[in-house]
Amino acid sequence: DTEVTQTPKHLVMGMTNKKSLKCEQHMGHRAMYWYKQKAKKPPELMFVYSYEKLSINESVPSRFSPECPNSSLLNLHLHALQPEDSALYLCASSFRTSGAKYQETQYFGPGTRLLVL
Amino acid sequence: TQLLEQSPQFLSIQEGENLTVYCNSSSVFSSLQWYRQEPGEGPVLLVTVVTGGEVKKLKRLTFQFGDARKDSSLHITAAQPGDTGLYLCAGAERTASKLTFGTGTRLQVTL
Repeated sequence: DTEVTQTPKHLVMGMTNKKSLKCEQHMGHRAMYWYKQKAKKPPELMFVYSYEKLSINESVPSRFSPECPNSSLLNLHLHALQPEDSALYLCASSFRTSGAKYQETQYFGPGTRLLVL
Repeated sequence: TQLLEQSPQFLSIQEGENLTVYCNSSSVFSSLQWYRQEPGEGPVLLVTVVTGGEVKKLKRLTFQFGDARKDSSLHITAAQPGDTGLYLCAGAERTASKLTFGTGTRLQVTL
């Protein structure tokens, strides 16, 4: 099973709303990632969690707040977003962030399409 | 900033034709992945290559990792409309803890 699930599939929110994106995997992976992807562009890394600890924050604005409650779950809390934050948000996981070669392979979820009005 | 350049950026071909997509960098990667992505969906892993010179086949798709582990190619034989999508290569550097994505190749296969 190489499945990463994400909810919701679609989300529309106003600039004053608070919402959360959820990601789950049961592959025993200890690294989880959040990406942002704009149309016709490759994914851009936002955050990396390794063994439930935040290891990389790619200078993401504080209106995005990640959380890793346990090794299977990853959340992205959204607050006071801007229209330019509208994008496809992707979650991914891998066995580890680096080291043994195949263990770096990342598996992606289907994404959450976010529209900020 | 590490870069992975893909070429071509866009390819429109007819069903049955062959094509090759290239992924080039000046960096050495410990592994390299190829993904296919359809609009509004997440990237789907096609293959991981880890050894310089390695060739892997997935039905009509052939993937090669360069001898120096800096580049890779994807060859599709007898393309079908179902091959349509965005193809992304992504390299993992041993100490980077993250992937470097290629610029993407958008493939359109028509009947």
